[in-house]
Amino acid sequence: QKEVEQNSGPLSVPEGAIASLNCTYSDRVSQSFFWYRQYSGKSPELIMSIYSNGDKEDGRFTAQLNKASQYVSLLIRDSQPSDSATYLCAVVKAAGNKLTFGGGTRVLVKP
Amino acid sequence: GAVVSQHPSWVICKSGTSVKIECRSLDFQATTMFWYRQFPKQSLMLMATSNEGSKATYEQGVEKDKFLINHASLTLSTLTVTSAHPEDSSFYICSALVLAGSSYNEQFFGPGTRLTVL
Repeated sequence: QKEVEQNSGPLSVPEGAIASLNCTYSDRVSQSFFWYRQYSGKSPELIMSIYSNGDKEDGRFTAQLNKASQYVSLLIRDSQPSDSATYLCAVVKAAGNKLTFGGGTRVLVKP
Repeated sequence: GAVVSQHPSWVICKSGTSVKIECRSLDFQATTMFWYRQFPKQSLMLMATSNEGSKATYEQGVEKDKFLINHASLTLSTLTVTSAHPEDSSFYICSALVLAGSSYNEQFFGPGTRLTVL
C-alpha cells in the first residue's frame, strides 16, 4: 500500500462545474496535509494546507480532512480551463517536515 | 507565499561532467531546504534534506557522493550532480521550509531545473 494514494485520472470536468479530488494516507499519525497544483513542465504550487478535521475554504478551493478515515479531499468550485493541471496531495508525518506525495490527479477542465 | 528561485532553469551537459544547481530563498531565511527529483509522468521523490550549517540528510537509495549538497547560508542551498550520466536526466526541484510560528510549517517550491545529460 502506498503511503499517499490518489486516483491518477484524468478527471474531466465541464467548465463551471465542481471538481472533486480525493486522497487517502496510510500513516494514522500524519498531522499536516497539503494540496499542490502542478502545471505541465512546472514545479508544484501550494494551494491549500489543512491540519484539523473539517473544511477549510480559500476562494474557489475547499479542503476537507477526516483523520478518522485517513482521507483528505479538495473541491474546486466554478472550474476554469486554467485549473487544468495535476493536483498533488502531500502529507507530513508527526515527526519532521518531510512531505510524502501522492502520485497526483490530472484534472482537465473542458470549455 | 514565499519566493524560492533556482538557477539554472535548464542545463544540458556531457556525460561525466558535474553540474551545480542553486536554490535561493528570496524574501525569507530558510534553515531547511529540500531537494526533489521528478521523472516524466511521475510524482516528486525526495532526495535529501538540506540543513544550514550541517550535513544533508539523504533518503534511502540516494548516493550522497554523487549528489553533493551544500547549505552554507540561510538563503542558499546548492546541489551538485557529479559525474552525471544520462540516467540522471530529470527535473530537479528544491523547496524551502517556511516556519509558520507553530508546529505547522509549509514548503514552497522553486521553479525547478531541467537537467539533460547527453
